[in-house]
Amino acid sequence: NAGVTQTPKFRVLKTGQSMTLLCAQDMNHEYMYWYRQDPGMGLRLIHYSVGEGTTAKGEVPDGYNVSRLKKQNFLLGLESAAPSQTSVYFCASSSPTVAANNEQFFGPGTRLTVL
Amino acid sequence: GDSVTQMEGPVTLSEEAFLTINCTYTATGYPSLFWYVQYPGEGLQLLLKATKADDKGSNKGFEATYRKETTSFHLEKGSVQVSDSAVYFCALSGRSARQLTFGSGTQLTVLP
Repeated sequence: NAGVTQTPKFRVLKTGQSMTLLCAQDMNHEYMYWYRQDPGMGLRLIHYSVGEGTTAKGEVPDGYNVSRLKKQNFLLGLESAAPSQTSVYFCASSSPTVAANNEQFFGPGTRLTVL
Repeated sequence: GDSVTQMEGPVTLSEEAFLTINCTYTATGYPSLFWYVQYPGEGLQLLLKATKADDKGSNKGFEATYRKETTSFHLEKGSVQVSDSAVYFCALSGRSARQLTFGSGTQLTVLP
């Protein structure tokens, strides 16, 4: 199993450009998440999904959109990138079963720089 | 809302030293508590967890005990190795049971 994979690993954008980050998981997890990691601030939740076709806002959703058209994929879009969106983005997935105890499995991250 | 306060770093230790990283939390009810580790250039990996009061999570020589009376989940290891150098995150899964709330992370460097 590959677990959680993210594409691309690195990207540099100019202000105003758009892009989509792809997350894929092969663990048949219902829940998926997008976080951003900034120095000294830990991980902050951007959006999440509790199943195919559903999405919900997290702590810092502004400037981002997401889609969950297939259970195994969760896309994060930036319509008009801003320098404040320079960050490392992590995708995660989890199972809603009691036995799973809300453990989340993380991808390797995407380092995005907006100039 | 839920929050996690973590000991600020960076922390630098010599090999075989004793490690403690403090973590306290604020949450309604009975959250599950986690420690995640992030090695350089990688994503987060679950290190250990505890789901109810007085539970002790342990893995790879690391331990943490869920203390409800002090709302704490401090991470300890008796003898650190160079390979333990990483960023450690304390986290909780609260009432919504769908989200993790993370602390700010503690950078640990172990010198040979």
